[in-house]
Amino acid sequence: SQQGEEDPQALSIQEGENATMNCSYKTSINNLQWYRQNSGRGLVHLILIRSNEREKHSGRLRVTLDTSKKSSSLLITASRAADTASYFCATDGEYGNKLVFGAGTILRVKS
Amino acid sequence: DTEVTQTPKHLVMGMTNKKSLKCEQHMGHRAMYWYKQKAKKPPELMFVYSYEKLSINESVPSRFSPECPNSSLLNLHLHALQPEDSALYLCASSQEGGPLSGYTFGSGTRLTVV
Repeated sequence: SQQGEEDPQALSIQEGENATMNCSYKTSINNLQWYRQNSGRGLVHLILIRSNEREKHSGRLRVTLDTSKKSSSLLITASRAADTASYFCATDGEYGNKLVFGAGTILRVKS
Repeated sequence: DTEVTQTPKHLVMGMTNKKSLKCEQHMGHRAMYWYKQKAKKPPELMFVYSYEKLSINESVPSRFSPECPNSSLLNLHLHALQPEDSALYLCASSQEGGPLSGYTFGSGTRLTVV
């Protein structure tokens, strides 16, 4: 079974608005990562947050991690049409030896 | 060079064919991975190579045969595939022997089995 589940499955917003995606996972982790995928091609690594971190920023991205609730969120501020993509969270699995992806959120940013 | 290069980008093959997918990276990464992704689904791990040795096989059918000839190359040999094996096949690499850092993904090979 997939390690992470994401919510919502799909999100449609206007350009300039913020987008928030949530991810839940089942087992203990060493880190959690977020990836973006455009049009069914390769995934791009966005950000990694370690289990002892609670919040991390990178440009317009803000990631939070709550290990007590086994959940994470990805916030994209001031969204752009180019942010339209699928976003996946991924964790390093029960034994920390492989990357397992959640179901993903499809984000559409309308201009 | 900060890329993972996959060839070919598209492949159509018959169920009796033998073909190979190729993946190459020159970032000095010592872990390489094959993932399979069906439409509108997340990538699913198939194989992990760590320091050129197969470390994880996620119970993948034997019609998929991975090979790691050296630290920069990863192949996936395909034989007697079924139409349900049609998918996007993604290769990735990472700096360490596990997902302790971000993965670099190739753009994938879109495989159609007819």
